[in-house]
Amino acid sequence: DQQVKQNSPSLSVQEGRISILNCDYTNSMFDYFLWYKKYPAEGPTFLISISSIKDKNEDGRFTVFLNKSAKHLSLHIVPSQPGDSAVYFCAANLGAGSYQLTFGKGTKLSVIP
Amino acid sequence: SQTIHQWPATLVQPVGSPLSLECTVEGTSNPNLYWYRQAAGRGLQLLFYSVGIGQISSEVPQNLSASRPQDRQFILSSKKLLLSDSGFYLCACFTARDPYEQYFGPGTRLTVT
Repeated sequence: DQQVKQNSPSLSVQEGRISILNCDYTNSMFDYFLWYKKYPAEGPTFLISISSIKDKNEDGRFTVFLNKSAKHLSLHIVPSQPGDSAVYFCAANLGAGSYQLTFGKGTKLSVIP
Repeated sequence: SQTIHQWPATLVQPVGSPLSLECTVEGTSNPNLYWYRQAAGRGLQLLFYSVGIGQISSEVPQNLSASRPQDRQFILSSKKLLLSDSGFYLCACFTARDPYEQYFGPGTRLTVT
């Protein structure tokens, strides 16, 4: 049973527009959420994170929103750039004392120039 | 900050042959280490993790094994490869400095023929 779900395997967005990547989770014990970006043939790199005590975290063009009641988080990229084209993984952690991440299957974002 | 090295970068092996993938970490001590596999159309599957020398936990039953002979060395092995072992293998580490983020190595592309 997948505890972290990214239901959209792919997304195409025009350059300059907003990209919204979605993630749902089932385990209410998850305490910390992260987004990773992955280019082909490379390891994932950390992008942005959010603690369960917050509902929004912003870093430049990237904003993550968390809706705990809906067990849903989203990553907004504004404005989208061609270099943002990659696979984005949502991940969740159980919090203090847990050193394991549970990953979603990823969403491939294509930003069209 | 820590750096993760993996080798080889790519590998083509016949079915039934043995496997040894190596991961080493620089810039940190006593890290938690992880092996993930990304197979076509699937997300990041946690295979093994280790909290210390000689301590290995397996997440998925398979014909793979892992060992941690030194603090910053993690090895993934198989005695006989299967076609289904093809994929992109990633080593990752967790450190006390960043308790929720995992840092990933560049990965090894394994093709079993």
